[in-house]
Amino acid sequence: EVQLVESGGGLVQPGGSLRLSCAASGFSFTNYWMSWVRQAPGKGLEWVANINRDGSEKYYMDSVKGRFTISRDNAKNSLYLQMNSLRAEDTAVYYCAAGVNGYRDYWGQGTLVTVSS
Amino acid sequence: EIVLTQSPATLSLSPGERATLSCRASQSVGSYLAWYQQKPGQAPRLLIYDASNRATGIPARFSGSGSGTDFTLTISSLEPEDFAVYYCQQRGNWPYTFGPGTKLEIK
Repeated sequence: EVQLVESGGGLVQPGGSLRLSCAASGFSFTNYWMSWVRQAPGKGLEWVANINRDGSEKYYMDSVKGRFTISRDNAKNSLYLQMNSLRAEDTAVYYCAAGVNGYRDYWGQGTLVTVSS
Repeated sequence: EIVLTQSPATLSLSPGERATLSCRASQSVGSYLAWYQQKPGQAPRLLIYDASNRATGIPARFSGSGSGTDFTLTISSLEPEDFAVYYCQQRGNWPYTFGPGTKLEIK
């Protein structure tokens, strides 16, 4: 059974940092591009960042460039998102997602990040 | 950035009826478009990829069509479990983007 389990969300003050993790199992992790997609409360989906199979290519949406860093550890079947200089508009459920092309076949259940003082 | 617009914003239909959802791109994405279904409190689920290909395990009542800038998701005969929000997503250019969604509700 495919599983993607996110962790690391929580309440953080504006300007603070948080590191999200995603543990993958049930599929060949090294064969998949991985992504973080977020959804603000009651809103639509936003594609935050992408990383290729070996971690050599990374792509970010403009509003998080320079603040967020996506990474992966293929030995641990894990994906990460380091989030710095957090803003209120970063408040969202963050989903870990996997796919072999530009679409995402597998999704986690999400972890909520709340940026508030 | 490619902007996707979806119509209608809300669609009210009854079980057994046919649903037609639209997605329009601000520039051509070829056939690089997907549809996802999302139910409250759940993660999105991939339904259709490359405009017209059903993802694994997706029932045949879901079909997709279109290319370039205009795309359609059709649900031939609505089942109770189909009432949800549907998003289109393009992978023609980075940043990949989603449409704002169509809420399919029970009439």
